Amino acid sequence: NAGVTQTPKFRVLKTGQSMTLLCAQDMNHEYMYWYRQDPGMGLRLIHYSVGEGTTAKGEVPDGYNVSRLKKQNFLLGLESAAPSQTSVYFCASSGRGNYSPLHFGNGTRLTVT
Amino acid sequence: AQSVTQPDIHITVSEGASLELRCNYSYGATPYLFWYVQSPGQGLQLLLKYFSGDTLVQGIKGFEAEFKRSQSSFNLRKPSVHWSDAAEYFCAVSDYKLSFGAGTTVTVRA
Repeated sequence: NAGVTQTPKFRVLKTGQSMTLLCAQDMNHEYMYWYRQDPGMGLRLIHYSVGEGTTAKGEVPDGYNVSRLKKQNFLLGLESAAPSQTSVYFCASSGRGNYSPLHFGNGTRLTVT
Repeated sequence: AQSVTQPDIHITVSEGASLELRCNYSYGATPYLFWYVQSPGQGLQLLLKYFSGDTLVQGIKGFEAEFKRSQSSFNLRKPSVHWSDAAEYFCAVSDYKLSFGAGTTVTVRA
């Protein structure tokens, strides 16, 4: 079982460059999420989606865009990377309902110089 | 809005000793509460969850957590830790999107 797969695992960008992080899940989950993890701050929600074709802003959405064109994929884009976006990014998916646990990918470590 | 506080940033415990990690939440209604564990270089894995019913819930890897509404707490416990329990632990509360605490890093010494 693949679960939630994130690509790439590592990336280094220069300030102003753009990139897209890909998240794929094979559990037929309705909900998908993008979090960033920074030391001492836990995980903060960037954007999320409750179904194909829908997205919503989370706690820290500025500087990021997302798309959910297919149910199994959730893309996170950085149009113009900034050093403040250096972080570890996690994708997660879940079934419907507050009680459904999140299934996480292994993360993407992004460094912006 | 919901929020979670984990008062302890780092805890060191001896192998075989008991472990308790604190979690306090703020939420207006009945909370959906979770504990996740993150091993180095990995994503988060669910340890246990609580919504209603018995206030003591059992999870994987020998962990349990107790929900105390009067104290707005959901503390995680393990009676005897193993070296493999060294990891970062996150408490979370859900309002269909999870809000995480800042995490507690657990170091296990031999």
